[in-house]
Amino acid sequence: EPEVTQTPSHQVTQMGQEVILRCVPISNHLYFYWYRQILGQKVEFLVSFYNNEISEKSEIFDDQFSVERPDGSNFTLKIRSTKLEDSAMYFCASSEALGDQPQHFGDGTRLSIL
Amino acid sequence: SQELEQSPQSLIVQEGKNLTINCTSSKTLYGLYWYKQKYGEGLIFLMMLQKGGEEKSHEKITAKLDEKKQQSSLHITASQPSHAGIYLCGAVRAGNMLTFGGGTRLMVKP
Repeated sequence: EPEVTQTPSHQVTQMGQEVILRCVPISNHLYFYWYRQILGQKVEFLVSFYNNEISEKSEIFDDQFSVERPDGSNFTLKIRSTKLEDSAMYFCASSEALGDQPQHFGDGTRLSIL
Repeated sequence: SQELEQSPQSLIVQEGKNLTINCTSSKTLYGLYWYKQKYGEGLIFLMMLQKGGEEKSHEKITAKLDEKKQQSSLHITASQPSHAGIYLCGAVRAGNMLTFGGGTRLMVKP
């Protein structure tokens, strides 16, 4: 069964450094998402992406965050200057369409900022 | 108050017992997802409900949506240790973003 894959599974970075989290969505999916889950808290929406543009973003997704689909298969989340509070599990998701098609999630990247 | 409240927050049941998890929204529900999350892992899609009164089943798990009450329930029949994990409900909001509840942590004792 096709699945969303995320790399790396765990990333440790010094505060202030840039980090790029990578995702390969399911191949026929057109809509892509990033969510995050701080330890012990709810899963929170960050951003949705369609047709090479951001569709929606939350207030969490500020100027230090960016997303990109650099080629036909990858979808990346970049955090420019990491802060301690960026430590979280980051999930990528994709869906075939809006509305009646479910979002399928990857296993996540655990980001630890030191 | 939280937009999506799940109850109970945690649940321990004996293997073979039935259980129900509830998810109540403070806003109108246009669609609701149920996911299962194993500790430290990703979210596994279980079911999606879109219409009031809709009920879906997958193996021993049944979910219902009550649009009027802005509520969904997830029922597991004859629970097994493999059902253990965190169950999350997610409501569809503008732009297809999902807003999640706090989760229900289920343990099944053999």
